Amino acid sequence: DVKVTQSSRYLVKRTGEKVFLECVQDMDHENMFWYRQDPGLGLRLIYFSYDVKMKEKGDIPEGYSVSREKKERFSLILESASTNQTSMYLCASRLTRSSLEQYFGPGTRLTVT
Amino acid sequence: DQQVKQNSPSLSVQEGRISILNCDYTNSMFDYFLWYKKYPAEGPTFLISISSIKDKNEDGRFTVFLNKSAKHLSLHIVPSQPGDSAVYFCAATAGGTSYGKLTFGQGTILTVHP
Repeated sequence: DVKVTQSSRYLVKRTGEKVFLECVQDMDHENMFWYRQDPGLGLRLIYFSYDVKMKEKGDIPEGYSVSREKKERFSLILESASTNQTSMYLCASRLTRSSLEQYFGPGTRLTVT
Repeated sequence: DQQVKQNSPSLSVQEGRISILNCDYTNSMFDYFLWYKKYPAEGPTFLISISSIKDKNEDGRFTVFLNKSAKHLSLHIVPSQPGDSAVYFCAATAGGTSYGKLTFGQGTILTVHP
């Protein structure tokens, strides 16, 4: 079974703080993704990575950055958290670009006060 | 610009009856479509997919229909069970054999009553 884990289930941060969300997958997948889920908006892609050291902007990258130093780990960074970044953050991984299915982690509920 | 739309935020169905979840898209470059199911406090899990060269794909109780001319797809669940109660997301991608990113709809909350 593919296992995608996220470092925290719930996180509360203050406005202006730097926030790190960590994602680890254990199946040697090449591709990894970060989404946020908001009511009425579905899942929106923030950033993705096709391989180590590679990153590409998704649909809503503003206010976020990412890091992929190792194949199994993909970090999402909020440089200066704002209240409009309060959301559910979901990490996903995929074996290669020839694979259709993405496997998701359980999500991190981030609240910025 | 919402390229994938699920216009029904919620659907309520009696156990044993059919559930029909709908999805519309605008981008004619999409060539694969997927449905994901999400339970509370869990990540979405893949349910079923369909290629744009097909108009139907079936997997047990789940069938996805694709109408390319209408840019519309639907997920049928027959018979519906209380365990099917979840949020269902439609997603689409383009790129032939090298898949790009997924574009998701807003989701539909399905409630199946015993």
